[in-house]
Amino acid sequence: AQSVAQPEDQVNVAEGNPLTVKCTYSVSGNPYLFWYVQYPNRGLQFLLKYITGDNLVKGSYGFEAEFNKSQTSFHLKKPSALVSDSALYFCAVRDGDYGQNFVFGPGTRLSVLP
Amino acid sequence: ETGVTQTPRHLVMGMTNKKSLKCEQHLGHNAMYWYKQSAKKPLELMFVYSLEERVENNSVPSRFSPECPNSSHLFLHLHTLQPEDSALYLCASSQLEEAYNEQFFGPGTRLTVL
Repeated sequence: AQSVAQPEDQVNVAEGNPLTVKCTYSVSGNPYLFWYVQYPNRGLQFLLKYITGDNLVKGSYGFEAEFNKSQTSFHLKKPSALVSDSALYFCAVRDGDYGQNFVFGPGTRLSVLP
Repeated sequence: ETGVTQTPRHLVMGMTNKKSLKCEQHLGHNAMYWYKQSAKKPLELMFVYSLEERVENNSVPSRFSPECPNSSHLFLHLHTLQPEDSALYLCASSQLEEAYNEQFFGPGTRLTVL
């Protein structure tokens, strides 16, 4: 069975500081991993994904994520946070070998303080 | 229009009403999804349509009835709902051929059941 954990409900960071939003996953086969962002009263917006290859994935709006197979993690990072990055962030996984549905984490609310 | 659109954006209904939510995708995708997003709960997958056939129904009560007349349109028919059904209902689409294809989400319909 697939599962995703986001251990932090809330992350606070000062503007200009680096940010990290954590995600760990569990799948039987090869993982495909995704990050989405949700702004208030909006749907989820795709940020980036890991399929294979380079463990560091770059995505939209300066975000990147690092795939770590041994730690089964896919943490989202940004070198310098903006107030406009404040939103709800979701990690998702899909089992590449067994083709099951997407499984989303519970979400982490990021607040970037001016 | 581009992407995934949903109408209405907001809906207030009584428990005895019948209403429908509409989703349209302009991306040429062959799979569509309904999700329920409630406060402080993970995203819940409700229904999956693949090539206009329902392939998943995640134990959703019969008061929710999906319909997919073609690959671009998805409906969710609602009748005799309960107050606990109040939530943000999100539609998504994707291209099925590769498991690493991301889902694209609509802005959601905010449903309030009185």
